[in-house]
Amino acid sequence: SQQGEEDPQALSIQEGENATMNCSYKTSINNLQWYRQNSGRGLVHLILIRSNEREKHSGRLRVTLDTSKKSSSLLITASRAADTASYFCATDDYFGNEKLTFGTGTRLTIIP
Amino acid sequence: NAGVTQTPKFQVLKTGQSMTLQCAQDMNHEYMSWYRQDPGMGLRLIHYSVGAGITDQGEVPNGYNVSRSTTEDFPLRLLSAAPSQTSVYFCASRRGRGIYGYTFGSGTRLTVV
Repeated sequence: SQQGEEDPQALSIQEGENATMNCSYKTSINNLQWYRQNSGRGLVHLILIRSNEREKHSGRLRVTLDTSKKSSSLLITASRAADTASYFCATDDYFGNEKLTFGTGTRLTIIP
Repeated sequence: NAGVTQTPKFQVLKTGQSMTLQCAQDMNHEYMSWYRQDPGMGLRLIHYSVGAGITDQGEVPNGYNVSRSTTEDFPLRLLSAAPSQTSVYFCASRRGRGIYGYTFGSGTRLTVV
């Protein structure tokens, strides 16, 4: 079963605008990660946020985590055509098992 | 560094055939995993390993075997291919838990007819 669910499933915005994607999960976690997947390629790790962190930044990426609501958001600022991809959240098993569970993804399209 | 290398990139099997998907990493990562990706379902964990000689089942292990005789290699064996195993398979590795994300291979697209 999927631990994470991304929202929206698909998002189209104009180049230069900000894109926000959300992830909800069901059980307690150690950390949450975001990955990007370009069409037909493998996933690329973007950022990891620990369960005791509330916000983290990396370049144009900003991730927030609200463990009380079991949700996270990924904000991409000043979007570029190269940001067109699918974005997935993934969570670690709280009990220490190496079972990274992925959501179903958000398909982001940047319109030039 | 090559990162995570998967072979083959494409494969067509007949129902009932067996095969091994190869995965190798050159980063000395402890943890390795196999995922399958199907349309609309995200990635699902098949098997994983936390070190040489140690493997465990993920969410969808049936029909697959793994072994981890070395740190570098983590092959995935399909015992008797079925059309339901048509998917894109990804191998991934990471240094350890906590602050590390996974490095993914480029995938193997498998079709079972």
